[in-house]
Amino acid sequence: LAKTTQPISMDSYEGQEVNITCSHNNIATNDYITWYQQFPSQGPRFIIQGYKTKVTNEVASLFIPADRKSSTLSLPRVSLSDTAVYYCLVAWANAGNMLTFGGGTRLMVKP
Amino acid sequence: DVKVTQSSRYLVKRTGEKVFLECVQDMDHENMFWYRQDPGLGLRLIYFSYDVKMKEKGDIPEGYSVSREKKERFSLILESASTNQTSMYLCASRGGLAGSYEQYFGPGTRLTVT
Repeated sequence: LAKTTQPISMDSYEGQEVNITCSHNNIATNDYITWYQQFPSQGPRFIIQGYKTKVTNEVASLFIPADRKSSTLSLPRVSLSDTAVYYCLVAWANAGNMLTFGGGTRLMVKP
Repeated sequence: DVKVTQSSRYLVKRTGEKVFLECVQDMDHENMFWYRQDPGLGLRLIYFSYDVKMKEKGDIPEGYSVSREKKERFSLILESASTNQTSMYLCASRGGLAGSYEQYFGPGTRLTVT
């Protein structure tokens, strides 16, 4: 089962680009990488998913190197409202695409 | 918009009580999940269901059971509540589209067992 490791916390300032890296050394061939965002007192919200190379949507970009043992979530020009916990997950294809949430990265955006 | 609702935002129960947490989704999703979230431990999967009357254990099923009699509803049952089950409980659903891992979460139920 692909366990993920990501920094416990990060600080940034408004307008900066934030990159959060996650390692998943045991990722299997058919597994996907997903990222979720969670605000206090709310359920997590899906941000982005990817399998390899680069994926971009209106919220973020996801960079996955060829060996897929890590991934980087990139948030362009963060604002105070991006202060949240960000979870990196691997969707296990061989376990019904079950997701396991790790501890997440607590991002604090300062003015 | 997908909507996942949970029966209560806050719940206080006594030790030994039987507790029912209800979750309803309105998007005809095949897959439904129950998690608990505790400080420092992140979200942990309790049970999930990929179809009506089907269920699979997650990482921490002990002390819990589930029921899925209708596609839109997934219930979490604490047969005999204990204080170590005080937690935030989150329900989620996901469609069956291959290659999509987007789960939709409800607002959560904060359960306190005294």
